Amino acid sequence: NAGVTQTPKFQVLKTGQSMTLQCAQDMNHEYMSWYRQDPGMGLRLIHYSVGAGITDQGEVPNGYNVSRSTTEDFPLRLLSAAPSQTSVYFCASSYSTAGRNTGELFFGEGSRLTVL
Amino acid sequence: RKEVEQDPGPFNVPEGATVAFNCTYSNSASQSFFWYRQDCRKEPKLLMSVYSSGNEDGRFTAQLNRASQYISLLIRDSKLSDSATYLCVVRVWDNNDMRFGAGTRLTVKP
Repeated sequence: NAGVTQTPKFQVLKTGQSMTLQCAQDMNHEYMSWYRQDPGMGLRLIHYSVGAGITDQGEVPNGYNVSRSTTEDFPLRLLSAAPSQTSVYFCASSYSTAGRNTGELFFGEGSRLTVL
Repeated sequence: RKEVEQDPGPFNVPEGATVAFNCTYSNSASQSFFWYRQDCRKEPKLLMSVYSSGNEDGRFTAQLNRASQYISLLIRDSKLSDSATYLCVVRVWDNNDMRFGAGTRLTVKP
């Protein structure tokens, strides 16, 4: 089972460049989300989606865009990369009930992004 | 003050030891509680949910104290394979906003 697949695993950007982190899941989960993980800090929610066509902001949405055109895919776009966006990014999905995830998040392997 | 606080450790214990981690949360509206495990340079995985009455899963026991706003994780008979970072997770207002602690690192030594 593939589960949650993220690409790329590693990326180096220059300040001001844009890029898209891809996330796909094959578990038919309605809920998908993006987190970033920085040293000494917990994972922080960037954006999430409770179904195709529905997205919402998390704790740290600035500088990031998302869209959800299919149940399977939830790409994260960095509009104009900044050094503060250097981080490890995790995509996570979950079953959901009435628009709420179950609490059991299935994470991808992570994407390590460095912005110079 | 962080919304979810954990002792970062590291906790270094011998095989067979019992070890306990605490986690405190600041938002009294928190509704659901979880422990996740994250191996070095890997993704987090759910270890167990934490129920109001406390719950056990094999060698792992989780407790919740709403009055003092903390949750705990007890690991008995530690194994080498328990070496990992343990993340405390709190859901606020019973919605999708799950707040993660920075984690407590455990190393179990032979």
